Amino acid sequence: DGGITQSPKYLFRKEGQNVTLSCEQNLNHDAMYWYRQDPGQGLRLIYYSQIVNDFQKGDIAEGYSVSREKKESFPLTVTSAQKNPTAFYLCASRMNTNVETQYFGPGTRLLVL
Amino acid sequence: QKEVEQNSGPLSVPEGAIASLNCTYSDRVSQSFFWYRQYSGKSPELIMSIYSNGDKEDGRFTAQLNKASQYVSLLIRDSQPSDSATYLCAVQLSGGSYIPTFGRGTSLIVHP
Repeated sequence: DGGITQSPKYLFRKEGQNVTLSCEQNLNHDAMYWYRQDPGQGLRLIYYSQIVNDFQKGDIAEGYSVSREKKESFPLTVTSAQKNPTAFYLCASRMNTNVETQYFGPGTRLLVL
Repeated sequence: QKEVEQNSGPLSVPEGAIASLNCTYSDRVSQSFFWYRQYSGKSPELIMSIYSNGDKEDGRFTAQLNKASQYVSLLIRDSQPSDSATYLCAVQLSGGSYIPTFGRGTSLIVHP
């Protein structure tokens, strides 16, 4: 089955700890994205990558890092510098064409212990 | 700054009625428009896309686009309790980074 997978479904972070959220897609999509969703806040873009080995900061990149070593994978690391990481994290991907939009993975809910 | 506005709701309609969800956008050069449905605790799911003025129908869903007035709407006919969700409007420019701008969503409640 083609699709976008995210793991884990739930993640608990201790103070001062870095954690990595996984995002994999087998749709042969060019671009991948990370969003954060807080209640009542809508979707906020953290990072995006349009091609392998290249990525750009979104609106709220501070405290996060990413890599894009393979077309299929776009992991997100939430660093200890992110002071309020509790949120629902969504990964999305798309083909780089005018008419295509993003398709989302199932999400990872990050909680701070 | 590109903006996409939606009434947060909740919009409450009885089962079987037509639910009308509206979205306005600020950037006149926007080319592509999408509606996503998001159930509580789940990720957004694409349900409709529209690119030209007029109506586009898919089952019980109809998307309406009016570029002159800069609004896009979603009509849900014969609303069912299973339609209860938050509906996100997304607007995308042609070219560039193809990053859509999302509205904050409208919460729809369909009561039996």
